[in-house]
Amino acid sequence: QSVLTQPPSVSGAPGQRVTISCTGSNSNIGAPYDVQWYRRIPGTAPKLLIYANTNRPSGVPDRFSGSRSGTSASLAITGLQAEDEADYFCQSWDKKLSGSWVFGGGTTLTVL
Amino acid sequence: EVQLLESGGGLVQPGGSLRLSCGTFGFTFSSYAMHWVRQAPGKGLEWVSGISNSGAITYYADSVKGRFTISRDNSKNTLFLQMSSLSAEDTALYYCAKDLRPGRNYAELDCWGQGTQVTVSS
Repeated sequence: QSVLTQPPSVSGAPGQRVTISCTGSNSNIGAPYDVQWYRRIPGTAPKLLIYANTNRPSGVPDRFSGSRSGTSASLAITGLQAEDEADYFCQSWDKKLSGSWVFGGGTTLTVL
Repeated sequence: EVQLLESGGGLVQPGGSLRLSCGTFGFTFSSYAMHWVRQAPGKGLEWVSGISNSGAITYYADSVKGRFTISRDNSKNTLFLQMSSLSAEDTALYYCAKDLRPGRNYAELDCWGQGTQVTVSS
């Protein structure tokens, strides 16, 4: 059971907009600690899409955007493309016990 | 070009030990915090351990605290993970990853290696 909860799967048609939620608590996202988002295509290393809630690293297209509100965060992908089909993970710091970074359980995005 | 190359994985018996290495290229290693993240078969990502750019500060997941030790050699641009008292639950693909911003330890992991497989089995 992950500390950060994500839906197991989402789907959308090419060109559509999808959002992936990440629900935490007052010990992590709601503390508030920053949220990162990663994409992992099976067989490849994860890629950082969003850091510090809303920021895109160099090279990440503006089709990807992040937000945080209260104890939750969201990743939005617009103009869905076939290449977006992958697993997406959120990540934050959790201050319980001695503190550690935690990942969400992951969401599989299917492009219909 | 930034590159991270893990090595040292393999098959080990329960209770055994293993030392992972991560060679790095293409950036000023001593300026960046580094981390280990693992993914067990069929499961999601799990952060394992992190270390500040100087090596003075280390962090561990509760699941590995007291069994794993992270370290770095800034003169050789190399990150290490010493693992002991291994169990089947430690079976995973282990990635090393670099923090995005120099001098900060925020686990904003912008570059990852391809991973090294650790299998704990008798």
